[in-house]
Amino acid sequence: DGGITQSPKYLFRKEGQNVTLSCEQNLNHDAMYWYRQDPGQGLRLIYYSQIVNDFQKGDIAEGYSVSREKKESFPLTVTSAQKNPTAFYLCASSIFSQPQHFGDGTRLSIL
Amino acid sequence: GQQLNQSPQSMFIQEGEDVSMNCTSSSIFNTWLWYKQDPGEGPVLLIALYKAGELTSNGRLTAQFGITRKDSFLNISASIPSDVGIYFCAGQLGAGGTSYGKLTFGQGTILTVHP
Repeated sequence: DGGITQSPKYLFRKEGQNVTLSCEQNLNHDAMYWYRQDPGQGLRLIYYSQIVNDFQKGDIAEGYSVSREKKESFPLTVTSAQKNPTAFYLCASSIFSQPQHFGDGTRLSIL
Repeated sequence: GQQLNQSPQSMFIQEGEDVSMNCTSSSIFNTWLWYKQDPGEGPVLLIALYKAGELTSNGRLTAQFGITRKDSFLNISASIPSDVGIYFCAGQLGAGGTSYGKLTFGQGTILTVHP
């Protein structure tokens, strides 16, 4: 089945540790996105990528990094510089001018 | 970044009732989207609107793209228990430039349906 796969479903981070969230899509979409969701708030854009080897900062990029080496993959690293990383992270993808489709998310917590 | 004002923040209704929620923006959008999110899952697209004034239905759901391009509403008729979830509006400026594909989301409307 075509879709967007995020892994792991749950992730725990220790203080001072970097963690990487995986996002893979087999929809042949050009654009991919990372959002952060906090309780009672809408989704906020962290980073997005329109094509391979190119990505742009979103509204809350500080403390995060990404790469886009393959069309299918857009991993997100939550670095130790992100002081409040506990949140639900959502990955999305889309083709030109079409609505974004979302994965099922990764919930990150601090130990 | 831009903000969308979505209301109401939450709704508690009886099964069978109709529901209405809306989003307003200080900026115009070229596309309005409505998503539903179940607990612990990603949002699922319900309706996409591409033209000012457009009225689109998807089963019991009806959504409209405001004439001013600064607002949109979603109606759910004859609600059922599985309608429970969080509903988000999202505005998109459209293709071109650095705003390509970027969505701005409302804060969400939490819907609870009592049997």
